[in-house]
This record gives sequence, structure tokens and C-alpha cells, in this order.
Amino acid sequence: DQQVKQNSPSLSVQEGRISILNCDYTNSMFDYFLWYKKYPAEGPTFLISISSIKDKNEDGRFTVFLNKSAKHLSLHIVPSQPGDSAVYFCAASAFGNQFYFGTGTSLTVIP
Amino acid sequence: DTEVTQTPKHLVMGMTNKKSLKCEQHMGHRAMYWYKQKAKKPPELMFVYSYEKLSINESVPSRFSPECPNSSLLNLHLHALQPEDSALYLCASSRTRSGQPNSGANVLTFGAGSRLTVL
Repeated sequence: DQQVKQNSPSLSVQEGRISILNCDYTNSMFDYFLWYKKYPAEGPTFLISISSIKDKNEDGRFTVFLNKSAKHLSLHIVPSQPGDSAVYFCAASAFGNQFYFGTGTSLTVIP
Repeated sequence: DTEVTQTPKHLVMGMTNKKSLKCEQHMGHRAMYWYKQKAKKPPELMFVYSYEKLSINESVPSRFSPECPNSSLLNLHLHALQPEDSALYLCASSRTRSGQPNSGANVLTFGAGSRLTVL
């Protein structure tokens, strides 16, 4: 049973516009969430994280929002750039234990 | 050095072969992980080593045998694999496997992966 879900397998956005990637989870014990970015032929690289005591974390063009009541998090990228084209995975963990990953969303930023 | 290095990048093996995947990190991380990822699927945890001791084995078949010779190295020994074992094998490390809630100490740093094809 998938505890972390990314229901959009792919997303296309024009350069300069906002990209919004969504992630839902089922386990209310999750207390730490991360986003990873993966280019072809490379391993996932850490992008941004948020703990359950916050509802927003911002790092440059990347902002992650957490809605605990809805068990939903989203990653906003603004402005989107062609170099952002990659597969984005969200991941969640409880009490510092193993991470559960979503299936990924492939983002294409169109120049 | 903020890298996790995996070798080989690609491996093709027959079902009777014995081979090994290797992983190395020099970030002083004390937890190391093996994940398996198939196309269009999320990474699936296989094994976790914490302070060189195996702490999690996610019911992985015995044809996969992990080894952690020291805090910087992690191996995955492969023997008598099946074609369905073909996948991308990812190694990762983290500072610790902290049990503290809301902890960033266990953020994973991944290697580029070893693409395994079993014929």
C-alpha cells in the first residue's frame, strides 16, 4: 500500500511560470518531508525539506507547503527554468525512520 | 566531498553469475542504504546499515547479500539473480539514523546508481 502518492506522472510548464508539484500521504505519523530531484542517469538529489511543525519552507525559487489536516504537501518552483526539467520525488518519514517515496512527477519546462 | 560513488554504473550478468555492486562515501555518514528502483516506480528500501551494523532488511531474497566492511563502504553481493531483479540499484547515506522526530540528520544523499540487467 503506497503511503506517499504523487498522482500526476507528468507536468509541463512554460519557462518563467510557476510549477506546482503535489504529493499526498496517508500516514498521520509522518513528521518530516523531503523533495528530491532526479535527472536521467543520475541519483536523486535533495532539494528541500519541511518538518511537521512548519507549514512552509522557502529556499530561493523553491517553496514547500505542508497542509497536515489534508495530508498534502506541494512544491512550488517560481520562476520555472528549463534546467528544472527532471523527475521530482516527494518522501516522508516518521521519527527519523525510513523514508517512503512517491512515484515521482516528471516536470518539463518549455523554453 | 559530498558524493556517494557507486560502481559499476552498468552491469549485465547471467543468472548463474556472482557479482558485486560497490558504494563509497567520505562524508562521515554513519548510515548507509541500498534501494532498488524499477522504471516509473519509487525507490524501494532493501537494506540499512547503521554504524556498520545491519539494522533493516526489508525481506529481501537471500540472493542479495549486503556487506558493510567499514563506515565508508557498502557492498551488495549478487548471486543467482532472476531477470525480474533487473533494476537501478541506488546506494544512499545519511549522517545518522536518528530516532528524533523532525530530524534532518537522516536526509539521504544518493549515488548515481548501478543499472543492473540480468539475462
